[in-house]
Amino acid sequence: GENVEQHPSTLSVQEGDSAVIKCTYSDSASNYFPWYKQELGKRPQLIIDIRSNVGEKKDQRIAVTLNKTAKHFSLHITETQPEDSAVYFCAATGSNDYKLSFGAGTTVTVRA
Amino acid sequence: KAGVTQTPRYLIKTRGQQVTLSCSPISGHRSVSWYQQTPGQGLQFLFEYFSETQRNKGNFPGRFSGRQFSNSRSEMNVSTLELGDSALYLCASSFWSGRSAGELFFGEGSRLTVL
Repeated sequence: GENVEQHPSTLSVQEGDSAVIKCTYSDSASNYFPWYKQELGKRPQLIIDIRSNVGEKKDQRIAVTLNKTAKHFSLHITETQPEDSAVYFCAATGSNDYKLSFGAGTTVTVRA
Repeated sequence: KAGVTQTPRYLIKTRGQQVTLSCSPISGHRSVSWYQQTPGQGLQFLFEYFSETQRNKGNFPGRFSGRQFSNSRSEMNVSTLELGDSALYLCASSFWSGRSAGELFFGEGSRLTVL
């Protein structure tokens, strides 16, 4: 965790296309990598997470990949829909699990 | 099961004042974390409590403090408010398994405006 960088800061996609958000982290001891979605005016909610002993995880249209060697992980959303429009945050734990560090967020807009 | 409850939802203060925000976690959750959310800065970690003990603290000045009670409810306090403290303060609770981090359940936040 500690320093988590997230790119891009904004992403506009056509409905039906895919969206990819990438994050890097600095602490090699990080072992838990969740993704949160925050709709306008709402609280952040967990959409998917991955632990360091797994390289990829899928849940319907969303998937997360993790490359521990390169210290980066990515969120993939396929067949985007208008309800996917939101701010997405990646996060990672640090050398202890008590602190979850978040990226700055990616505002995703799905154009109809 | 009731979700995470934060009070007050909105408040306006002036510079130099202090403020106390409250968070009631989901029943059974003993870990409570606090985050500051500002546009463009994402979610900045303030501190995390478990069983009334602060286990980790973020890079905020000493004006920011917190505590947790025996019923797991938590409060955070900001003294000598500055304009830059205007933000949404989010509380999150989690069921700590004792082994590793798990899902955070966020409250709706307390929106603080400092004039």
